Amino acid sequence: EAQVTQNPRYLITVTGKKLTVTCSQNMNHEYMSWYRQDPGLGLRQIYYSMNVEVTDKGDVPEGYKVSRKEKRNFPLILESPSPNQTSLYFCASSLYGRSPQPQHFGDGTRLSIL
Amino acid sequence: QKEVEQNSGPLSVPEGAIASLNCTYSDRGSQSFFWYRQYSGKSPELIMSIYSNGDKEDGRFTAQLNKASQYVSLLIRDSQPSDSATYLCAVWGAGGTSYGKLTFGQGTILTVHP
Repeated sequence: EAQVTQNPRYLITVTGKKLTVTCSQNMNHEYMSWYRQDPGLGLRQIYYSMNVEVTDKGDVPEGYKVSRKEKRNFPLILESPSPNQTSLYFCASSLYGRSPQPQHFGDGTRLSIL
Repeated sequence: QKEVEQNSGPLSVPEGAIASLNCTYSDRGSQSFFWYRQYSGKSPELIMSIYSNGDKEDGRFTAQLNKASQYVSLLIRDSQPSDSATYLCAVWGAGGTSYGKLTFGQGTILTVHP
């Protein structure tokens, strides 16, 4: 089954404790991206990657890191989480070429930073 | 000015009516546009993608694109209570600092009442 898998689905942690949210896709997609969703603000892009070893900042990259060492994986790293990073996070992937294709989304990760 | 802006909601329509959702965007060079539906607590799911000016129909859904006016809309005919959700407009950036970015509108909440 074609899917984007995020882990964990839920996490409650404390300020300053490094955490990683994993994302994996099995569709051989070049493009992968992370979004956060907050009430009233919609989905905002954090980072995206158009291929292995290529990453770029989205609209809200501060406080986050990513890496793309393999095509299928795109982890999101919070080195020193803070309460303002409490949010619902989505990973997504798609083909990317002349006509960018729609994103396939994971089920989301709800992060609470205390 | 927001890069992608949707008509403010919430929008409430009776069952069987036509629901009209609108979206404007600021990147004049954008070529790829998407409508997603998101149920509360779930991930966005693609309803329509549109790349060319004009109308594109898929069942009860019609997407309309006017690049000259930088406007994309979604019509839902014969609205059903199961259509009650948040609808998200998304636009791929064309170039410059927007290249590779996918920007979402803030979403419009639709309620279809019996």
